[in-house]
Amino acid sequence: DGGITQSPKYLFRKEGQNVTLSCEQNLNHDAMYWYRQDPGQGLRLIYYSQIVNDFQKGDIAEGYSVSREKKESFPLTVTSAQKNPTAFYLCASKEEPGLNQPQHFGDGTRLSIL
Amino acid sequence: QQPVQSPQAVILREGEDAVINCSSSKALYSVHWYRQKHGEAPVFLMILLKGGEQKGHEKISASFNEKKQQSSLYLTASQLSYSGTYFCGTEGVHRGSTLGRLYFGRGTQLTVWP
Repeated sequence: DGGITQSPKYLFRKEGQNVTLSCEQNLNHDAMYWYRQDPGQGLRLIYYSQIVNDFQKGDIAEGYSVSREKKESFPLTVTSAQKNPTAFYLCASKEEPGLNQPQHFGDGTRLSIL
Repeated sequence: QQPVQSPQAVILREGEDAVINCSSSKALYSVHWYRQKHGEAPVFLMILLKGGEQKGHEKISASFNEKKQQSSLYLTASQLSYSGTYFCGTEGVHRGSTLGRLYFGRGTQLTVWP
């Protein structure tokens, strides 16, 4: 079955440590997105990529980095510069980068500070 | 550019109706609706397009008033399975908006009791 796989489901970070969240999709979608979800905040866009080897900052990119070397993969690194990383992270994709296309979400990664 | 959702929370008995509103201060191409169960990924419900008609899926339907930049989600004869948090996502036409990205509201928590 086609879908979006995020791993791990739970992740713990020590102070000063960088951690990488994985997002893989086998839907052959061009566009991919990373969102952060905090209670009562909705979904806030961190980074997005509309095509391989290209990505743009979203609304809360500080302390995060991404790469898009392959169409199916869009990993997110939470760096030590992100002082409040505890949140639920969601990866999404859609078939084309343009308008009027639904986004499909992975099951998320819950990141906590040790 | 984040749309405003109202109400923040709704509590219903099974069989009752509910309306969730989504309002933007900017002109819109489309409005997307998602439902998220606790700890799970958001699931796409429907998309309302500029110039399009009211859409529906079984007992869940939605409308889009382009002039008022508003959308409403209608849940008729609610079922226990309708419980969750509903998010609207908007695609804008205004200067400075990025085509293809969504701005999500903070969500409306719907609880249906037997």
